[in-house]
Amino acid sequence: KQEVTQIPAALSVPEGENLVLNCSFTDSAIYNLQWFRQDPGKGLTSLLLIQSSQREQTSGRLNASLDKSSGRSTLYIAASQPGDSATYLCAVNSGTYKYIFGTGTRLKVLA
Amino acid sequence: EAQVTQNPRYLITVTGKKLTVTCSQNMNHEYMSWYRQDPGLGLRQIYYSMNVEVTDKGDVPEGYKVSRKEKRNFPLILESPSPNQTSLYFCASSALAGGPSWYFGPGTRLTVL
Repeated sequence: KQEVTQIPAALSVPEGENLVLNCSFTDSAIYNLQWFRQDPGKGLTSLLLIQSSQREQTSGRLNASLDKSSGRSTLYIAASQPGDSATYLCAVNSGTYKYIFGTGTRLKVLA
Repeated sequence: EAQVTQNPRYLITVTGKKLTVTCSQNMNHEYMSWYRQDPGLGLRQIYYSMNVEVTDKGDVPEGYKVSRKEKRNFPLILESPSPNQTSLYFCASSALAGGPSWYFGPGTRLTVL
């Protein structure tokens, strides 16, 4: 059974820092992996989708990498800003009609 | 504007009183899904639908029902709610089950007393 873990559960950094969020999964036979952002009182927003054949995806200051063999993905945020404060979730699609979500990393960027 | 809407956004009810949470998308997506989010457990899938009249159970379907009679709507039904169904519920839709773009509703916070 696929399990997705995100460490750390919470992270607080000063503005301007580059940071890395980690996601690990137990079954490497995945179809794709997505990173989401969740703001309080709002739904989830898809940030980046990495297909199983890809190694990384970039969008603006965000870069997500995927290493299937080791069961890991990282989300790199460059030059963090207070507006980046949110909970970041990774979700793994193992080719079935569902995503398995991690419990998230709650990020706070201090001005 | 592309969006997924859920109603109600907040609901407090009592044990055993049937309720329905509606979900609607305006993007002609085939795939829709319901999740619940609980502290420490993350999001867990309740039910999903691949198209009209095609639904299947997710990881935690007990106590829930769904229907997909129209492509745009995917209501979640709790026939006899219990306190352990107190949670934050999200509806999501996508053109394809594997993405690329998933759209989530704003969530429904349900409290069952």
